[in-house]
Amino acid sequence: EAGVAQSPRYKIIEKRQSVAFWCNPISGHATLYWYQQILGQGPKLLIQFQNNGVVDDSQLPKDRFSAERLKGVDSTLKIQPAKLEDSAVYLCASGYSADTQYFGPGTRLTVL
Amino acid sequence: SQQGEEDPQALSIQEGENATMNCSYKTSINNLQWYRQNSGRGLVHLILIRSNEREKHSGRLRVTLDTSKKSSSLLITASRAADTASYFCATGGSNYKLTFGKGTLLTVNP
Repeated sequence: EAGVAQSPRYKIIEKRQSVAFWCNPISGHATLYWYQQILGQGPKLLIQFQNNGVVDDSQLPKDRFSAERLKGVDSTLKIQPAKLEDSAVYLCASGYSADTQYFGPGTRLTVL
Repeated sequence: SQQGEEDPQALSIQEGENATMNCSYKTSINNLQWYRQNSGRGLVHLILIRSNEREKHSGRLRVTLDTSKKSSSLLITASRAADTASYFCATGGSNYKLTFGKGTLLTVNP
């Protein structure tokens, strides 16, 4: 079965610019997650979708970050405007149960 | 906030040796999971242990869980150079949500 797809794999932007990341989960997975992983740390959950509804976005910096999951499949995560501290790997994961999550390869964002 | 805390932060061993990593957490859990992350890649699920289980095996992996001490350990036996990676514990609740620790960086020297 195909895994979680993410694009782009790498992105370099200047601070105050905007950036968007795309995720295509494994077919049939109702739950989709976006994580931020800063170098040397574990992934931190930003937002969790169940189908196209938001379950948890308590750690999403809503003044600059937004995410949507149209039609309960693909999802996009946007940062506008970006700050230096947003430099991180952004991981998308999907799952069909409360157990295992399947992760994509991530997008490495560098903000200069 | 991060629920799990792995120990040690870094571990370096020779090929063929065993590697043990520990994870402590703070609140009650439904399950505890271990993931591996190779440099520059996504996380790969290794093993899940439920709160009513004490030990689980999968190939060269052995996981223990002590809910009274709120701790878990991951043992990798007969390590290989390909096991070099970061290992994360993640605590799972009933809401499909995982909370990850900071990870242990394992280096297996050939």
